[in-house]
Amino acid sequence: GQQLNQSPQSMFIQEGEDVSMNCTSSSIFNTWLWYKQDPGEGPVLLIALYKAGELTSNGRLTAQFGITRKDSFLNISASIPSDVGIYFCAGQYAGGTSYGKLTFGQGTILTVHP
Amino acid sequence: GAGVSQSPSNKVTEKGKDVELRCDPISGHTALYWYRQRLGQGLEFLIYFQGNSAPDKSGLPSDRFSAERTGESVSTLTIQRTQQEDSAVYLCASSYQTGLSSPLHFGNGTRLTVT
Repeated sequence: GQQLNQSPQSMFIQEGEDVSMNCTSSSIFNTWLWYKQDPGEGPVLLIALYKAGELTSNGRLTAQFGITRKDSFLNISASIPSDVGIYFCAGQYAGGTSYGKLTFGQGTILTVHP
Repeated sequence: GAGVSQSPSNKVTEKGKDVELRCDPISGHTALYWYRQRLGQGLEFLIYFQGNSAPDKSGLPSDRFSAERTGESVSTLTIQRTQQEDSAVYLCASSYQTGLSSPLHFGNGTRLTVT
């Protein structure tokens, strides 16, 4: 099956710093998504990417869909304390019965020190 | 309601007992998904529904796990003869339709503890 490797596993940064995390896959995806999960809650969609090479921004967040369709990165600029949480990448493959299924990375735990 | 609703939010059960977890999707969403999240790990796909049918149930870990959906709305995930390794947060999500441009909206999950 498809495997996603997400790194780093955790990050400890100072408020105001920029953050970068990435995911790589053993096979291609048609869609890459980035989610954030706060404690006790479900993941919330941050950014969705639909085309290879696409670069998309959402406020202080920027994400790119790798040209090979096997990787994606997420950048957070000028971090603030409420950025704390777990960030997940997810890939979606448009094929057969897997059409609706997301494959998730292991998550990056982000801690922001004021 | 405005979002995906799951109940109960927490469930503690004894090993060997059966449990039922419920998911109410966003009204009008035709696709519904179940994921499992073990402590400190990512989300593991279990099953998804398009309408009341399940095109992909490949993630169900064993025949102790089953799910159904009725009325293209509520879904229940049933775990029979629970084992300690079933302890996890079970997350439900729905989307307007299956498709690459129809994002998943997650509920807050049911935290299952098997003692």
